[in-house]
Amino acid sequence: DSGVTQTPKHLITATGQRVTLRCSPRSGDLSVYWYQQSLDQGLQFLIQYYNGEERAKGNILERFSAQQFPDLHSELNLSSLELGDSALYFCASSGGGIHEQFFGPGTRLTVL
Amino acid sequence: GQQLNQSPQSMFIQEGEDVSMNCTSSSIFNTWLWYKQDPGEGPVLLIALYKAGELTSNGRLTAQFGITRKDSFLNISASIPSDVGIYFCAGLKDAGTYKYIFGTGTRLKVLA
Repeated sequence: DSGVTQTPKHLITATGQRVTLRCSPRSGDLSVYWYQQSLDQGLQFLIQYYNGEERAKGNILERFSAQQFPDLHSELNLSSLELGDSALYFCASSGGGIHEQFFGPGTRLTVL
Repeated sequence: GQQLNQSPQSMFIQEGEDVSMNCTSSSIFNTWLWYKQDPGEGPVLLIALYKAGELTSNGRLTAQFGITRKDSFLNISASIPSDVGIYFCAGLKDAGTYKYIFGTGTRLKVLA
């Protein structure tokens, strides 16, 4: 158990809909990262937050947005969903000056 | 998005054999991480490397940060069935952002 929690574990929705994925980092970790993993693919970095502020952006679509709240949990919002958005979405966290990222169990999103 | 090249893509080995895999790039990296991912689960951190030439072990696993800083290697000794999974490397170019680039993965299958 990495200490990172993600909800929900599974999400099935229809095209055009909007969903919110939630992540709670390890206790004490200030950084949260979001990744997308499509079937049999590697991990694509989406976005990073550090202590509530956006720190780095990757290949995140304009239809996607994220935020980190004062209690350090983070939410990833996906809107106007398309079939191609079906994937595993992982959250990871890291603390202080440590570069090591610890991953949550992921949310599997299926868009029908 | 950008990904690191991992080799081999997949491999079948006999239980008890040693395994070697590598991760290469045309760019210089400051940190290398190695992860293992089981199907439907989040990646689990195995080893972190911070200096060129560094050799670090974690049980039967040994990883090295390449001297050129453009590659990293992971070795698994005396493989066992539970070593099955996908192994990912992740490299960090810019320490200020914690923005990791992940490898394409090496899928390992162990034959008992």
